[in-house]
Amino acid sequence: GENVEQHPSTLSVQEGDSAVIKCTYSDSASNYFPWYKQELGKRPQLIIDIRSNVGEKKDQRIAVTLNKTAKHFSLHITETQPEDSAVYFCAPSGGGADGLTFGKGTHLIIQP
Amino acid sequence: DAGVIQSPRHEVTEMGQEVTLRCKPISGHDYLFWYRQTMMRGLELLIYFNNNVPIDDSGMPEDRFSAKMPNASFSTLKIQPSEPRDSAVYFCASSLSTLSSQPQHFGDGTRLSIL
Repeated sequence: GENVEQHPSTLSVQEGDSAVIKCTYSDSASNYFPWYKQELGKRPQLIIDIRSNVGEKKDQRIAVTLNKTAKHFSLHITETQPEDSAVYFCAPSGGGADGLTFGKGTHLIIQP
Repeated sequence: DAGVIQSPRHEVTEMGQEVTLRCKPISGHDYLFWYRQTMMRGLELLIYFNNNVPIDDSGMPEDRFSAKMPNASFSTLKIQPSEPRDSAVYFCASSLSTLSSQPQHFGDGTRLSIL
């Protein structure tokens, strides 16, 4: 199965600064790379995703970059705001009928 | 769309009792997943179904856990007998046909406490 690691496990940044979370994976057949956000007591929700034929995707303050050769992809949040405080999960998946493996999560704390 | 609907939202019961969690996926979604979330182990996939058929149950912790999907709009996760270590938040999620390139839509979860 897929081996997924996220770094860092906790990230504290000043409001307005940028945050970067990295996800490494082991399965070279992975071709779908989503990021989910989970606020305290809530359900995980997709915030951005990228497919293997694209190197970067941006949606307002959020972007995802993919390096298939090195088998990692990253979540970038610019101009962070208090509502960005949450746990973020990556969940790379392959072309086969495998279930998703989620990373352990990164707790992002936005300091006022 | 109403999204994925789970019930109950909270369940508190004594160890040894049977627990049944319920899920209604988004209409038209062919895949349904059951996850368990704890602080120690994070978000773990327990089992998933494609077109009501269980595909991979390797994440089910032991024989006390069972899951069914009798039709396209309903699934259950049952624990019998329950134990305190089963306490967790259980999420159900569904997705469209192409498993590896479609996002999963999660329900609000069931917070289970076994005393």
